[in-house]
Amino acid sequence: QKEVEQDPGPLSVPEGAIVSLNCTYSNSAFQYFMWYRQYSRKGPELLMYTYSSGNKEDGRFTAQVDKSSKYISLFIRDSQPSDSATYLCAMSGPAVGNEKLTFGTGTRLTIIP
Amino acid sequence: DSGVTQTPKHLITATGQRVTLRCSPRSGDLSVYWYQQSLDQGLQFLIQYYNGEERAKGNILERFSAQQFPDLHSELNLSSLELGDSALYFCASSVTRQNYGYTFGSGTRLTVV
Repeated sequence: QKEVEQDPGPLSVPEGAIVSLNCTYSNSAFQYFMWYRQYSRKGPELLMYTYSSGNKEDGRFTAQVDKSSKYISLFIRDSQPSDSATYLCAMSGPAVGNEKLTFGTGTRLTIIP
Repeated sequence: DSGVTQTPKHLITATGQRVTLRCSPRSGDLSVYWYQQSLDQGLQFLIQYYNGEERAKGNILERFSAQQFPDLHSELNLSSLELGDSALYFCASSVTRQNYGYTFGSGTRLTVV
């Protein structure tokens, strides 16, 4: 079983819809949770960063972490064609001595104009 | 431009050969991370360097090695290449050892024929 599970999709939604992307994990030591966006043939780009449980909002993006359920989500409101990309969740344990990120396999998202 | 520079962008080589991938981190970043991304495995952590010293090792094959030089650039050496080594190789950097997410380069696409 992988430490981080992510539905690979693909996921297609119409422009303007709310998108929900999710990951589950098994390692209870994970404390830092991130979402990256990766366009085709590009490197991943950090979208959201969250420490421990709770919500974080940045414009049209909201990240949620539920450590009790080992479940994280990314919501995209008013989705735009430019949001079409692969979204990767990533997480890690305590900062010092354990800096590597463990990634989900990514969800491929297409926003249909 | 993320500030992390990877060269070359593309590399085609034959089985059994050796190649070197180069990464220049963002100005001021002391940590360098190497990841391998293949279609079926997603992003896999290979190795991390912090200010010239190896900090963490992931699933890096014995045929692969890396180093970080005094000017903080890093090289990933891949030898005795096999068809299965074909993948995207990403370098990322961060300013400290803390996990606030890191910045990826655009990657080197390696094709072994």
